[in-house]
Amino acid sequence: SYVLTQPPSVSVAPGKTARITCGGNNIGSKSVHWYQQKPGQAPVLVIYYDSDRPSGIPERFSGSNSGNTATLTISRVEAGDEADYYCQVWDSSSDVVFGGGTKLTVL
Amino acid sequence: QVQLQESGPGLVKPSQTLSLTCTVSGGSISSGSYYWSWIRQPAGKGLEWIGRIYTSGSTNYNPSLKSRVTISVDTSKNQFSLKLSSVTAADTAVYYCARGGNDVPFDYWGQGTLVTVSS
Repeated sequence: SYVLTQPPSVSVAPGKTARITCGGNNIGSKSVHWYQQKPGQAPVLVIYYDSDRPSGIPERFSGSNSGNTATLTISRVEAGDEADYYCQVWDSSSDVVFGGGTKLTVL
Repeated sequence: QVQLQESGPGLVKPSQTLSLTCTVSGGSISSGSYYWSWIRQPAGKGLEWIGRIYTSGSTNYNPSLKSRVTISVDTSKNQFSLKLSSVTAADTAVYYCARGGNDVPFDYWGQGTLVTVSS
């Protein structure tokens, strides 16, 4: 089965840049989607197909994907960005796969 | 604006069947080429995809749950449904319905509904 590995937690000071990684075997050959989930709320799509942003998502959110690592980058981090972030791919053997999630803490 | 809303019992006894319905508003569930999925999240844990149904009615399930899951659609009511049989405490989770699946991102989500498996 296909496995996506995320760091359990990432901490960043306000105004700085947060990078959340998602590791998987040759993930660069797959399309990666990213979701933000705040406590008690449903996930929200923030990046799709590696680097596209849905309407309404700030330009501070960006994504990249190459080799064995996909990365969600949040620039000029704000307190409101504090949340859990999940990466997700589709794999021909495992179907839909989510990463374990990363808790972003804004210091 | 598409909206999804889950409904169903919040408490299910062990060994019984969990049944949930997702009502879609703001668009027809049978128009366009969309996947409609169920996803769950145990308390304090990550997201787990359960399965999806396509507008054609074809289904795909998480291999780990496949033997217990059935997803169906009722286009006349603009709803799709989840049945999970032989539940145990491990099936206790918040269950979400969402639009998306396969290689398509989940762009619309329901608010989620908590289902507890307990006697």
